Amino acid sequence: DAGVIQSPRHEVTEMGQEVTLRCKPISGHNSLFWYRQTMMRGLELLIYFNNNVPIDDSGMPEDRFSAKMPNASFSTLKIQPSEPRDSAVYFCASSPPAGTDTQYFGPGTRLTVL
Amino acid sequence: GENVEQHPSTLSVQEGDSAVIKCTYSDSASNYFPWYKQELGKGPQLIIDIRSNVGEKKDQRIAVTLNKTAKHFSLHITETQPEDSAVYFCAAGDLLGNEKLTFGTGTRLTIIP
Repeated sequence: DAGVIQSPRHEVTEMGQEVTLRCKPISGHNSLFWYRQTMMRGLELLIYFNNNVPIDDSGMPEDRFSAKMPNASFSTLKIQPSEPRDSAVYFCASSPPAGTDTQYFGPGTRLTVL
Repeated sequence: GENVEQHPSTLSVQEGDSAVIKCTYSDSASNYFPWYKQELGKGPQLIIDIRSNVGEKKDQRIAVTLNKTAKHFSLHITETQPEDSAVYFCAAGDLLGNEKLTFGTGTRLTIIP
């Protein structure tokens, strides 16, 4: 079975540019999570969806960040405009219906904003 | 909200010896405690988990113990091997509730050959 798929794996962009990260969750999973990992702050939950609906976006750092989940098999995290402090590894994770199993992580997108 | 503390931040052990990583949590409503292993350049991978209705769980060389009264849980790796070198994260959450996991800050484990 394919795991969580993320693209791109690496992204280098210049400050001020728009960045879009993509995620395909595991088939049958109905919750999707976006995390950011940095040395200073560790693994932070940005937002999570259940059945394509955003449930908790309290971790989204500011209005420059937005996330969508138009269907059960696709989600995007967008940063506009990007800033150097957004440089981090962004992970997507998915989990099956509540109470059954844990979160499974994708390989991550390493974002560098120059 | 939940707060998870993890210790130590770094740990070096001789190959073949045991390694123990400890975590504490604050929210008594948490009922699910997974451990993840993250290798360089990869996403965290689940290695073992425990639910609040049991006190211990084993899977070959890996075991996890849970003390609900004290709100702490530990990862034990026996007969360590070089491939155990990685960063390990504990987490706590309510699997039946809001599904969020709160992660510890990670332990970098190095196995010395």
